[in-house]
Amino acid sequence: KQEVTQIPAALSVPEGENLVLNCSFTDSAIYNLQWFRQDPGKGLTSLLLIQSSQREQTSGRLNASLDKSSGRSTLYIAASQPGDSATYLCAVQKGIYNQGGKLIFGQGTELSVKP
Amino acid sequence: EAGVAQSPRYKIIEKRQSVAFWCNPISGHATLYWYQQILGQGPKLLIQFQNNGVVDDSQLPKDRFSAERLKGVDSTLKIQPAKLEDSAVYLCASSLVWRRTSYEQYFGPGTRLTVT
Repeated sequence: KQEVTQIPAALSVPEGENLVLNCSFTDSAIYNLQWFRQDPGKGLTSLLLIQSSQREQTSGRLNASLDKSSGRSTLYIAASQPGDSATYLCAVQKGIYNQGGKLIFGQGTELSVKP
Repeated sequence: EAGVAQSPRYKIIEKRQSVAFWCNPISGHATLYWYQQILGQGPKLLIQFQNNGVVDDSQLPKDRFSAERLKGVDSTLKIQPAKLEDSAVYLCASSLVWRRTSYEQYFGPGTRLTVT
C-alpha cells in the first residue's frame, strides 16, 4: 500500500529565505508526482508535475526534484515571500488503467513566511 | 479556459440529513474525481469516473455515499444520511487522459461540509 509522508508538518521562515519541503513515498513504482498549493478555504493549485522518467521540474522560483529509487521528492522555494504562505501537498499517481489514476496525497506542510 | 466548478461552496446540515454536491469539470476532460479532505489531512479519493463509467470507488462508503455522472460531463455526489465524521471539504477534479498518457488533475474550489 502506497503511503506518502511530508516533513515538516509546519514551517515558519523569514522573508527572503530559501527553503526545502520534503516528500517521501513507500512504493517507488509511480507514474508521476505532483506538488500542489492550497490556500485556506480554497481548492488545490497544481504547481509542478514530474513524470517518472524525469528528475526535476522548474517553474519560476520553484524547483521540484524526484528520486524514485529512494522514494523521495523535494520542493525548493527560492527567495520566499509572504505570498508563498500556504499548505503545500505532494501526491503520487501510481498508474492510469491499472490503478485508476488516483492521486495519493501526503498530509501537507503548512508554510508561513514572515515579512 | 474555465476551471472546475463546484457548488455549493459551503453547506451546514444536521446529522442524519441528506446533502448533494455538484461538479462541472473542465470541458473535454473525460476523467472526473471526487476527493474528501478532512481537516489537517491530505485529500483521499472517494470515486473516479472515466466518461460515464466508474473506475474506482473502493473507498466510497457505499451505505451512505452515492455518485453519478450523467452524459459524461457533470457529476453529483450525495450523502444520505450524513454523520458527524463526514464534515470535510469535498473536492472535485478532472483530467484529460488520452491513451496511456496521464495529464495533470485540475481541482475545483471545493465544498466545505459541516455536519452538526
